[in-house]
Order: sequence, then C-alpha cells, then structure tokens
Amino acid sequence: GENVEQHPSTLSVQEGDSAVIKCTYSDSASNYFPWYKQELGKRPQLIIDIRSNVGEKKDQRIAVTLNKTAKHFSLHITETQPEDSAVYFCALKGMDSSYKLIFGSGTRLLVRP
Amino acid sequence: DAGITQSPRHKVTETGTPVTLRCHQTENHRYMYWYRQDPGHGLRLIHYSYGVKDTDKGEVSDGYSVSRSKTEDFLLTLESATSSQTSVYFCAISESAGRVTEAFFGQGTRLTVV
Repeated sequence: GENVEQHPSTLSVQEGDSAVIKCTYSDSASNYFPWYKQELGKRPQLIIDIRSNVGEKKDQRIAVTLNKTAKHFSLHITETQPEDSAVYFCALKGMDSSYKLIFGSGTRLLVRP
Repeated sequence: DAGITQSPRHKVTETGTPVTLRCHQTENHRYMYWYRQDPGHGLRLIHYSYGVKDTDKGEVSDGYSVSRSKTEDFLLTLESATSSQTSVYFCAISESAGRVTEAFFGQGTRLTVV
C-alpha cells in the first residue's frame, strides 16, 4: 500500500534563509501530492499541491517539486519569516478508487528571528 | 473555512467505556476521513468513507469503528477506550468530481482516556 517518509523531523533556520523538506513514497501510482501547514493548536491547512503531470509549482515564497522517477517530492520555502514556524506535512493520494489521503510524519520548522 | 464541525472538542473518559466522536459537514462533500495525530507519528488514517454507508479501513483501524448514515455525518466510535487511544482526532472532507481536490480539516477533538 501507500507509504510516505518525510525528512527532516525538525528544521531550524535563520530568518531569511531557505528551508527544504523532502518526502519519498513507494507507490508509483500516486498522482496527487499536497502539503499542509499546521500552526500550534490549529488544524492542518493546505498551502500548495502538485499533480503527477507537473514537475514544479510555485506560489510566492513556496514551491513544490516532484520527481516521479525517483519517487520523491519536496517543499521549498524561500526568504523564511518567523510566521513560517509550524509543522509541515506532506501527503499523497493514490490512483486507486479508495481515495485514501496518506500523510508523512511531519517536519517542525523553526525560523529564528 | 469549509463547513466542517467536530464534536465534542474535548473529552475525558475512563478506560473501557465506549466513546463516539462526530464529524458534521455542510459542504455535501463525498469523502470523509478520520485521522489521529500523535507526536512523532503525524496524521494517521483510521477510517474513511467514500459515500453513504460506504466505509473502509485506514492504517490504524483496530479498536475503532465508523458509520455514515447521512452524507453530512461521519461518526467514529471507540468500542472500549484504552489509554493508547488518547490522542487528537481530526476529521477531514474532500470532494472529487472526476479529479482530486483539497481536503479540509475540522478543528480537532482532544480525547484523553484515563
């Protein structure tokens, strides 16, 4: 079945630096790869997603890249700000009819002022 | 925010008692999910539903059951609560009319089993 591994589990960067979080998966049939941000005590919220027919997508300071051959996708945050501090989750959905949405274990990002 | 409400928001219960958590949506979305969130494990799928009376197991379904008798409600039941089921539970909804779409989460339910 689907499985997704997320690294690193914690990441600390200086304000203004870039942050990269990577996820690898096993099911080559996966076709949808969203990223969620969860602030302390809040619900997860979608920040960006990518579909399998696209290699890269960008939205202001965040971008996601997908390498289907190597089965990994990454979140890139540039010019980090303290408000980017949160837990970030990658996820994926498979091609089968179940429409299960499977999440990685999360990355706690701390942006130091 | 999408119209999705979880109840109760907080609950403390004793080991061995049954507990039911409710997820209610006003979006008429077809897919509903129950996750639990624990430190170091992220969000783990318990059960999900792809229509009224259509449900399936996720990766951590043991000790849990679900029911969906109406589009808008998805109930999660812990038949006999154990301390290992202490967690934050999130419901999510999504609609996929021919293509994959975003999942929206409820506010979460913090359950403590003592």
